[in-house]
Amino acid sequence: NAGVMQNPRHLVRRRGQEARLRCSPMKGHSHVYWYRQLPEEGLKFMVYLQKENIIDESGMPKERFSAEFPKEGPSILRIQQVVRGDSAAYFCASSPVQVVDQPQHFGDGTRLSIL
Amino acid sequence: GENVEQHPSTLSVQEGDSAVIKCTYSDSASNYFPWYKQELGKRPQLIIDIRSNVGEKKDQRIAVTLNKTAKHFSLHITETQPEDSAVYFCAATRGSQGNLIFGKGTKLSVKP
Repeated sequence: NAGVMQNPRHLVRRRGQEARLRCSPMKGHSHVYWYRQLPEEGLKFMVYLQKENIIDESGMPKERFSAEFPKEGPSILRIQQVVRGDSAAYFCASSPVQVVDQPQHFGDGTRLSIL
Repeated sequence: GENVEQHPSTLSVQEGDSAVIKCTYSDSASNYFPWYKQELGKRPQLIIDIRSNVGEKKDQRIAVTLNKTAKHFSLHITETQPEDSAVYFCAATRGSQGNLIFGKGTKLSVKP
């Protein structure tokens, strides 16, 4: 049973470019969470999605960041006009149902570097 | 806003000793408390979790205790081994949502 799959593992962008990060949840999971981790820090919640719905985006910056989880295909976290401060590891987690005490399993993350 | 405090930030123990990491949370609606282990450059791995209707849970050398009244929970690792060396994160659910609020992590070093 494949785990949460994220790609790419590493992504390098120049300032002003766009970054697209993809996350395929575990089989049977319909809830996806995105977290950001700065070096030497804990994970910070960004956005919580269900298929075709954004449930909670309170942790995501209002500008330049967007997320989607279409009916078919992976969840996408999109960062437009990237800046140096966007450099971080972005992790995706999934859970099977909308029950608050369900374990979240993380993917290997995408390490985004902005030149 | 909701917050999770974690202590200590670094912890060094001798192999075979016990390690204890403590967390406090602010959201009284939190009802699920997982612990994650993260090795350098890798993903967080769930090692144990506890729900609010339980006071203690044990899995081999790892145990977690929860005091809902005081809003704190702790991770206990007994008979530590060098491979236990990693950063450990506590987390709590944010109210009625499933997203997690993480502590800042504890870097555990187990010396052979």
